[in-house]
Amino acid sequence: KQEVTQIPAALSVPEGENLVLNCSFTDSAIYNLQWFRQDPGKGLTSLLLIQSSQREQTSGRLNASLDKSSGRSTLYIAASQPGDSATYLCAPYNFNKFYFGSGTKLNVKP
Amino acid sequence: GAGVSQSPRYKVAKRGQDVALRCDPISGHVSLFWYQQALGQGPEFLTYFQNEAQLDKSGLPSDRFFAERPEGSVSTLKIQRTQQEDSAVYLCASSPLGTSGTAYNEQFFGPGTRLTVL
Repeated sequence: KQEVTQIPAALSVPEGENLVLNCSFTDSAIYNLQWFRQDPGKGLTSLLLIQSSQREQTSGRLNASLDKSSGRSTLYIAASQPGDSATYLCAPYNFNKFYFGSGTKLNVKP
Repeated sequence: GAGVSQSPRYKVAKRGQDVALRCDPISGHVSLFWYQQALGQGPEFLTYFQNEAQLDKSGLPSDRFFAERPEGSVSTLKIQRTQQEDSAVYLCASSPLGTSGTAYNEQFFGPGTRLTVL
């Protein structure tokens, strides 16, 4: 079974900082990996999808990298804002399943 | 366009009652997933449909859990004889492609149904 670990579990930073969120997974035979954000009491919002053949994807202030062979993905958030406060989840996809870690809870202070 | 919708958004059940949770996926989406999310945890896979076929139900925790998607669109997750440990948020997600397009398959989630069993 795929095991997904996200580090750190929680992060509190002042506004404007650049951030790095880490995701590791045990089975590298994935089709893709998706990053989500989840606001309290809400569903998951897709941020980025990286196909297994890709190394990175960018959307605005977000950049996600994927090193499939080592079982790692990293989400970079540039110039963080209070509106970025949420829980961030990574989900590698294989065998018709998306596996989730417990997430990184981010708090960006004004 | 319309996203994934789920109903009810909140459900309170007495222990032993049966409940039914509904998911309306994005129109035309082939794949549909159900997840269970406990407080402070990431979602855990329950079951997967490709059109009306339930291809994977390995995550269903017991035979009290049953899911269906009879016409390949709307899906219902039914829990019989609810127990307190069933209290969680139940999330539904849909993807435009089936297993043949796995590298491109992006999931879109609904808002979830919060189930509380008293």
